[in-house]
Amino acid sequence: AQTVTQSQPEMSVQEAETVTLSCTYDTSESDYYLFWYKQPPSRQMILVIRQEAYKQQNATENRFSVNFQKAAKSFSLKISDSQLGDAAMYFCAYRIITTSGTYKYIFGTGTRLKVLA
Amino acid sequence: GAGVSQSPRYKVAKRGQDVALRCDPISGHVSLFWYQQALGQGPEFLTYFQNEAQLDKSGLPSDRFFAERPEGSVSTLKIQRTQQEDSAVYLCASSIRTYEQYFGPGTRLTVT
Repeated sequence: AQTVTQSQPEMSVQEAETVTLSCTYDTSESDYYLFWYKQPPSRQMILVIRQEAYKQQNATENRFSVNFQKAAKSFSLKISDSQLGDAAMYFCAYRIITTSGTYKYIFGTGTRLKVLA
Repeated sequence: GAGVSQSPRYKVAKRGQDVALRCDPISGHVSLFWYQQALGQGPEFLTYFQNEAQLDKSGLPSDRFFAERPEGSVSTLKIQRTQQEDSAVYLCASSIRTYEQYFGPGTRLTVT
């Protein structure tokens, strides 16, 4: 079964501190993409960061970085220097190519991040 | 427009009514996805279009759900004879590259 597990329903972080959100996934594919999406309250989902599975180097985007452990099927998101605007639901997801050659994204259940002033 | 738009933003339907949800993707985006997001859950895949072709509808929960994209741009998700379990946010996303998606704001459907 293709699944994404986010074991932390909710996390809190003090402003300016660092927080790590965890994600594990299960796929038999060897070539896939991994993503972290942010969904602020009542606002659109936006892409935070993307990782290609064939790349060993961890992706970084400003204050956001990932720790990608392919063998362990783990893909955690680290947010440094947390800001009040980082408060949102964060979803881990991966994209696979289906047996019929189409694309499908599988999402986790999300982690609600609270940033404390 | 600059982004993906969806209408209506909110829809209340009585059980048994039919509803139609519209998605306007970013101009030129070939791929279009529909998702269903229940309260407190992540988006779940419903269906995928490449231009006007519906290449994957494996996520549609029942034959009451129907999606179309006749001219390869605007898409409509139709739900017939709505049930309470259909209450959710319906998200549309479009993309030009297969490794990225741009999401719309969603339509919150409440079936009473």
